[in-house]
Amino acid sequence: GAVVSQHPSRVICKSGTSVKIECRSLDFQATTMFWYRQFPKQSLMLMATSNEGSKATYEQGVEKDKFLINHASLTLSTLTVTSAHPEDSSFYICSATPRAEYEQYFGPGTRLTVT
Amino acid sequence: SQQGEEDPQALSIQEGENATMNCSYKTSINNLQWYRQNSGRGLVHLILIRSNEREKHSGRLRVTLDTSKKSSSLLITASRAADTASYFCATDAPEYGNKLVFGAGTILRVKS
Repeated sequence: GAVVSQHPSRVICKSGTSVKIECRSLDFQATTMFWYRQFPKQSLMLMATSNEGSKATYEQGVEKDKFLINHASLTLSTLTVTSAHPEDSSFYICSATPRAEYEQYFGPGTRLTVT
Repeated sequence: SQQGEEDPQALSIQEGENATMNCSYKTSINNLQWYRQNSGRGLVHLILIRSNEREKHSGRLRVTLDTSKKSSSLLITASRAADTASYFCATDAPEYGNKLVFGAGTILRVKS
């Protein structure tokens, strides 16, 4: 149980285009989902917290208009990187939890490369 | 920031040896978790230790928590080549709204 999937696993896009990444909890309802980014050989940095049916809470320094997050259902959150630039190239990982102060379950990550 | 520091940054050992990784953090916590990440992959949850616990075991893993020193250690016994990965600690702290804050990680290489 407690499986989280991400789609796509890898994506290459051209500079200036937008890319959508999906995060799904497959066997539980996720009241909260988190989005992280990870640069090579570095740790995970939290980008935003997403609660179902409400606006995402972004961490300091993360542009909400650039990284659009939608958590429309209890099993799906999407991250859209708008007008992507090469510096947005990174590994994006989501996690989901069924309730506050509970274990987070992580997705397998999405490798984004912007050319 | 709460971001934990882990040491060593990198560790290379022979198969069969034990590997110890340490994590320090800055504020009081609800719990501390350890994760493994194979290169280019997602995170695998290894173990969660609550603030009122001092030691926890899971298979070949042993985690200790010293809240007075704000530190934790992860011991992997009888290491295998398949244990080669990055290992991260993450803290869940009331001060940070119960969000997970990850340490910098330790890259473990187990040579066969």
